[in-house]
Amino acid sequence: DAMVIQNPRYQVTQFGKPVTLSCSQTLNHNVMYWYQQKSSQAPKLLFHYYDKDFNNEADTPDNFQSRRPNTSFCFLDIRSPGLGDAAMYLCATSRALSAGGRDTQYFGPGTRLTVL
Amino acid sequence: GDSVTQMEGPVTLSEEAFLTINCTYTATGYPSLFWYVQYPGEGLQLLLKATKADDKGSNKGFEATYRKETTSFHLEKGSVQVSDSAVYFCALISGGSNYKLTFGKGTLLTVNP
Repeated sequence: DAMVIQNPRYQVTQFGKPVTLSCSQTLNHNVMYWYQQKSSQAPKLLFHYYDKDFNNEADTPDNFQSRRPNTSFCFLDIRSPGLGDAAMYLCATSRALSAGGRDTQYFGPGTRLTVL
Repeated sequence: GDSVTQMEGPVTLSEEAFLTINCTYTATGYPSLFWYVQYPGEGLQLLLKATKADDKGSNKGFEATYRKETTSFHLEKGSVQVSDSAVYFCALISGGSNYKLTFGKGTLLTVNP
């Protein structure tokens, strides 16, 4: 089945130690998103890629970076994780529509990040 | 800007009870409306969607109707099961938010046997 895959499902890192989370998709969607979700909250958009164009949210800390080497893969890099960065990180994908809109977003299972 | 207001929980029901989770929205233009479900420790799964007024989305016994006159998209299910226990998010996409998903705060549903 076509899907959005995230690895690993659980990641433990130390305070200040860089960490990379990965997302891949078999949907061939041209838009990929990264969200941060803290306990009992709705997901918060960090940034998204439209093809190779990177779009950062205004309030996303510089500590968070992303790479998209090809259509299928997208990475979230946290350069110096702090205790406040412990959260679930969700990847999502969607198609861009011809009229400039966006189709439904499909989410991966998430990566739960723990910072010690 | 766009916003979604949904009934805050937690909601606790007995198995086979009727479920309603209210959702109203404010948006520019004609948004697409969604319900996502999140089971414990999992990502969000699309439950159902509607893209224009009077559309009814349905899936797994859940239904929601896009009501433009009341700007609502209430989620209903006639008979809930223990396996329906999860967090439910109402959300929209519109041009006014540059086609980003705007979420409600989520409603935790617990169904007891």
